[in-house]
Amino acid sequence: AQTVTQSQPEMSVQEAETVTLSCTYDTSENNYYLFWYKQPPSRQMILVIRQEAYKQQNATENRFSVNFQKAAKSFSLKISDSQLGDTAMYFCAFMKREYGNKLVFGAGTILRVKS
Amino acid sequence: DTEVTQTPKHLVMGMTNKKSLKCEQHMGHRAMYWYKQKAKKPPELMFVYSYEKLSINESVPSRFSPECPNSSLLNLHLHALQPEDSALYLCASSQDGTDLRGYTFGSGTRLTVV
Repeated sequence: AQTVTQSQPEMSVQEAETVTLSCTYDTSENNYYLFWYKQPPSRQMILVIRQEAYKQQNATENRFSVNFQKAAKSFSLKISDSQLGDTAMYFCAFMKREYGNKLVFGAGTILRVKS
Repeated sequence: DTEVTQTPKHLVMGMTNKKSLKCEQHMGHRAMYWYKQKAKKPPELMFVYSYEKLSINESVPSRFSPECPNSSLLNLHLHALQPEDSALYLCASSQDGTDLRGYTFGSGTRLTVV
């Protein structure tokens, strides 16, 4: 069975500071993708960043970067220069390879950015 | 067009009503998904359509009936729902059923059953 664990239910950070959200996962597969999705109060689920498991290099998208540790099955998200608009629920997710690929989500972390 | 459009945005229905949720995408994606999301919880997969055929049904009660009339459109027909079915219903799409690159989500329909 594949599972995704986010151990931080809520976090807060001051504007302009850096915050790291943690995620661990469990899988027996070798080829998979990992994702961070953001869901603000507007409720749209937005893809923040994705990582291909066979790529050693950590993915980055502007202020967002990941620390992917494949052996440890860890996939953390670092947000630099936090902005008020980063306030949202963040979900770590794992793509399950089967026909009709299934996206498996962690429980989520509520991030609040304070001014 | 890189969007998934869901209508309506909000829906209130009685337990004896019949209603439908609609999802549309024009990205040429051939896999489409329905998810149910309760407040402060992750989305839970309900159905997967691949090339207009139902490929996954996650043991969803029969009061939810999906339909994929063409490659751009996905409907969810609702009948005799219970108050516990109140939730955010999210639609998503991907290139096809083997695409591992993730989904594009719509903004959801907030359903309240009274």
